[in-house]
Amino acid sequence: DAGVTQSPTHLIKTRGQQVTLRCSPKSGHDTVSWYQQALGQGPQFIFQYYEEEERQRGNFPDRFSGHQFPNYSSELNVNALLLGDSALYLCASSPPGGPDTQYFGPGTRLTVL
Amino acid sequence: AQKITQTQPGMFVQEKEAVTLDCTYDTSDPSYGLFWYKQPSSGEMIFLIYQGSYDQQNATEGRYSLNFQKARKSANLVISASQLGDSAMYFCAMREGGTSYGKLTFGQGTILTVHP
Repeated sequence: DAGVTQSPTHLIKTRGQQVTLRCSPKSGHDTVSWYQQALGQGPQFIFQYYEEEERQRGNFPDRFSGHQFPNYSSELNVNALLLGDSALYLCASSPPGGPDTQYFGPGTRLTVL
Repeated sequence: AQKITQTQPGMFVQEKEAVTLDCTYDTSDPSYGLFWYKQPSSGEMIFLIYQGSYDQQNATEGRYSLNFQKARKSANLVISASQLGDSAMYFCAMREGGTSYGKLTFGQGTILTVHP
């Protein structure tokens, strides 16, 4: 039973560029959440997707957008990259019906130069 | 105000001994969930244990137990019989609200080092 998978593992971009990160949830899970983790900090919630809709959003600018597909996989898009967007981006999935234990993927390390 | 506070930036423990990692939380919501995650240097967050605000008993999962003191708003993680593989960053997190979904708010984490 595969866990949460994310791609790519690492990514290097320059300021102003756009990036797309991908996440496949654990089998049987229908909810996907995205978090940003700066170095030495705890993860910060970006948003959560359920039934292809954004269900909840954290305090992140509109440059951060997402999508969920019918197979429950998800993408995180970040436009107009800033140096401060450099971080580990974590995807988490959770099963239907609760409790909402979120299971995390290995993350994508984004470096913005 | 911080929702989740982990006051120990780093902790050291001898192999086979028990260790307690502190976590206090702040919420006015009567319904919430508390979680502990382990993050090794590889980066993946590994779920350890969950405690619901209405759970009467302290949660336990193998060598992990959660010392839940509701009146003090604390949810300390106890790891018994520490192993070298327990060396990692540990995060306490909270989900507020009565729904079974929603964002997790994390603390700053505690780095645990297990010495042989």
